[in-house]
Amino acid sequence: DAKTTQPPSMDCAEGRAANLPCNHSTISGNEYVYWYRQIHSQGPQYIIHGLKNNETNEMASLIITEDRKSSTLILPHATLRDTAVYYCIVRVESNYGGSQGNLIFGKGTKLSVKP
Amino acid sequence: EAQVTQNPRYLITVTGKKLTVTCSQNMNHEYMSWYRQDPGLGLRQIYYSMNVEVTDKGDVPEGYKVSRKEKRNFPLILESPSPNQTSLYFCASSFLQGYGYTFGSGTRLTVV
Repeated sequence: DAKTTQPPSMDCAEGRAANLPCNHSTISGNEYVYWYRQIHSQGPQYIIHGLKNNETNEMASLIITEDRKSSTLILPHATLRDTAVYYCIVRVESNYGGSQGNLIFGKGTKLSVKP
Repeated sequence: EAQVTQNPRYLITVTGKKLTVTCSQNMNHEYMSWYRQDPGLGLRQIYYSMNVEVTDKGDVPEGYKVSRKEKRNFPLILESPSPNQTSLYFCASSFLQGYGYTFGSGTRLTVV
């Protein structure tokens, strides 16, 4: 799987949009971009994923650049409960076994939402 | 409620005493996986299972065993725990490999 680069930490004011960047310059054409978050020692939580089109769900929006070398997760109105470590992961969409289909977590970005 | 249930949540044990951490999911997911999380090292995959009776090693399988006799259960077995297995463990399941994992609440294991 392609490696990702994320800033180690970011701050965001409560109520403002949180924009979390991720660089994946070596991504392959069949690799998806996934975002998870982990709130202090809880199990990681799936947020969103996409291939090349922008995606939106009830939690967040995912903006993927046209060349797919980077993406941004947007939390439109951050709350204190959004304070967490956010992981950007790229992986092949594989249902046939093998380690390439597994999620490999990096160090992520620690987002602190402040009042 | 759709969930992954791990037990126990906390466990303190002594070196060499066999233990099992249970994991059960009620979503009829085919794919299940175990991770451990350590400070500075992040989440690392131990074992995974594509379906019943199909298991494979992840990145850090040494010292662990797993079994998948039923679709819903995926226990993690430490035959002879050692202090370097002190960690926070997470079980996860998904409908497809890597797609929208649901994680359990975690098991904090201390081996003394």
